Amino acid sequence: DIQMTQSPSTLSASVGDRVTITCRASQSISSWLAWYQQKPGKAPKLLIYKASSLESGVPSRFSGSGSGTEFTLTISSLQPDDFATYYCQQYNSFPTFGQGTKVEIK
Amino acid sequence: QVQLQESGPGLVKPSQTLSLTCTVSGGSISSGGYYWSWIRQHPGKGLEWIGYIYYSGSTYYNPSLKSRVTISVDTSKNQFSLKLSSVTAADTAVYYCASQRLGFDYWGQGTLVTVSS
Repeated sequence: DIQMTQSPSTLSASVGDRVTITCRASQSISSWLAWYQQKPGKAPKLLIYKASSLESGVPSRFSGSGSGTEFTLTISSLQPDDFATYYCQQYNSFPTFGQGTKVEIK
Repeated sequence: QVQLQESGPGLVKPSQTLSLTCTVSGGSISSGGYYWSWIRQHPGKGLEWIGYIYYSGSTYYNPSLKSRVTISVDTSKNQFSLKLSSVTAADTAVYYCASQRLGFDYWGQGTLVTVSS
């Protein structure tokens, strides 16, 4: 299995903050990485695919970067609707997810 | 807009088989280009991919669950299904169906399945 490790596990931030979440893969996955946002009681929502491509309809304040084993999700200016849990997921081999990063209100 | 909807029993007894169906609307499973997946989330935990099926019937399963999982497709009903055998309390989770292209782009709302006698 390819293990995905996110950091931090929890992040406290304020509206307007720039937020960065890191995801590391246990082996190279090229750019085969996606990011999701999940709110309580809801299904995850795709934000980013192929490491840096923005899914249609997703606000441009979300961006992704990286390749190989290290990736980041950045929210340029945190909005009230962005408080949620974020997951990375690789699809270089059978899909595996990171453990999640909860973005909470500071 | 593709929509997915899970259906099936919310309670399954230990050692029995969990069976769920995902109905796809707004698009055809047979049109190709998508893999149709099952994903689960244990209460308060992260996400675990179970497996997927292509419209042709080819399947790929998570190795950790492979011995107990069967995913099938019924293109005439635009549905795909999950069977997970010999369930235990550790299989209690919210089960999602989802479509995958370059990421899991469409999801069902999820259905909680509890394994309990």
